[in-house]
Amino acid sequence: GDSVTQMEGPVTLSEEAFLTINCTYTATGYPSLFWYVQYPGEGLQLLLKATKADDKGSNKGFEATYRKETTSFHLEKGSVQVSDSAVYFCAQSNSGNTPLVFGKGTRLSVIA
Amino acid sequence: GAGVSQTPSNKVTEKGKYVELRCDPISGHTALYWYRQSLGQGPEFLIYFQGTGAADDSGLPNDRFFAVRPEGSVSTLKIQRTERGDSAVYLCASSLLYNEQFFGPGTRLTVL
Repeated sequence: GDSVTQMEGPVTLSEEAFLTINCTYTATGYPSLFWYVQYPGEGLQLLLKATKADDKGSNKGFEATYRKETTSFHLEKGSVQVSDSAVYFCAQSNSGNTPLVFGKGTRLSVIA
Repeated sequence: GAGVSQTPSNKVTEKGKYVELRCDPISGHTALYWYRQSLGQGPEFLIYFQGTGAADDSGLPNDRFFAVRPEGSVSTLKIQRTERGDSAVYLCASSLLYNEQFFGPGTRLTVL
């Protein structure tokens, strides 16, 4: 079945460091890909998305590119801040209103 | 405007009891989803409604779990004869057709 695998955490970085969180997927079709973020004490929020191959999603300095050839959607940010500390989830959805399939999440802690 | 709300925010119950969890979606959203998030895991799909009907209930773990959405708005997830393994955060999300899912804050269920 469809699945998402993301790098295990926790990840601890110093402020202004470069961030990469790896995510790969398996799917029968051509899914849409998402990164969700869960800040401490808050609900899941959509961070960015890409709906087709080679699309780049971006938001708040985060980027991820839909790579069909490597079935990947790695999350990157050039300079993290303490406020980026959260749990990040990679997810896919086949199409339209189909349910999301999530990875296990990666906890990021950024220290000053 | 108001987001997705879920009540109660916390529920503690004893093994074998019946519980109901409520979700109020964003007004006008036709699609409603229930997910379950166990500790250290990503959310897992339970059931999806389009309007009043369950379009996909393939994620319900067994027949102790049931959900309704009688008027196409508010939804209730019902769990009979609760077990300790049902302890998790239950998340609700809503969306317009073919659009982003917005998540509620979740209900943390603890079965003693």
